[in-house]
Amino acid sequence: QQPVQSPQAVILREGEDAVINCSSSKALYSVHWYRQKHGEAPVFLMILLKGGEQKGHDKISASFNEKKQQSSLYLTASQLSYSGTYFCGTVFQGAQKLVFGQGTRLTINP
Amino acid sequence: SAVISQKPSRDICQRGTSLTIQCQVDSQVTMMFWYRQQPGQSLTLIATANQGSEATYESGFVIDKFPISRPNLTFSTLTVSNMSPEDSSIYLCSADLGLATNEQFFGPGTRLTVL
Repeated sequence: QQPVQSPQAVILREGEDAVINCSSSKALYSVHWYRQKHGEAPVFLMILLKGGEQKGHDKISASFNEKKQQSSLYLTASQLSYSGTYFCGTVFQGAQKLVFGQGTRLTINP
Repeated sequence: SAVISQKPSRDICQRGTSLTIQCQVDSQVTMMFWYRQQPGQSLTLIATANQGSEATYESGFVIDKFPISRPNLTFSTLTVSNMSPEDSSIYLCSADLGLATNEQFFGPGTRLTVL
C-alpha cells in the first residue's frame, strides 16, 4: 500500500520553512526520506524507526508519530539547494522492500 | 554508504529489441532492487534480486519481460525484453547495505527511450 504524501507541491522563497507529510493506513516498521533532483538518483536523507522519534541534521529534520503511521519532514530556513522532489519510503513490519509515496515537489525561489 | 554505478546511463532502442542494464556496487550487499520511474512519477519496485536465488517480482512485473541476474554480491543485471514505447522510463537499481535499518542507496539510473 502506497503511503500518501502531502502536499504534492510547494513553492517557497529562500529562508521560508516547509513541512512534508507522509501517512500510512497501517503501522510501519520504518520511514525513509529521500530527495531527488531532476535527472539524478534519489539521495538518502534519514530513516526513522521508533514511534515518537525525532531526528535531523542541519536544518532538515523529521518526526515519526507514536503510532508509527505518520512521518513529517521539516525544512527550516530553506536554501536554494533544497529544491527537488522529496519521497518518503515506507517499510512494513516483516518486509524488506521500500514502498514510496508519490513525492512532493519543492521549489525554492530566491 | 555505498557507491553504485549503472550502465548504460541512457539508450534509445527500437521496438521489439531487448536491453540489458548493469548495476555494480562497490561493496558486497545482500539485497539489490530494481525500480522503474516514469517521468515526474514515483519509484515503482520491479523486483528484488537476491544472490543465489530467483528474483522476487512485484505484482505487474514478470520474469519473461524483466529477467534479472545476480551472479555475485556486487553485481546485478536487469533486461527489458521485447520493448515497446510503454517501457520508456528511468530504471534504477539500489542496494540494501544489510543493516537492520534497511537503508537503500541508489544508482544514477538508466534513461531508456523506446521508439
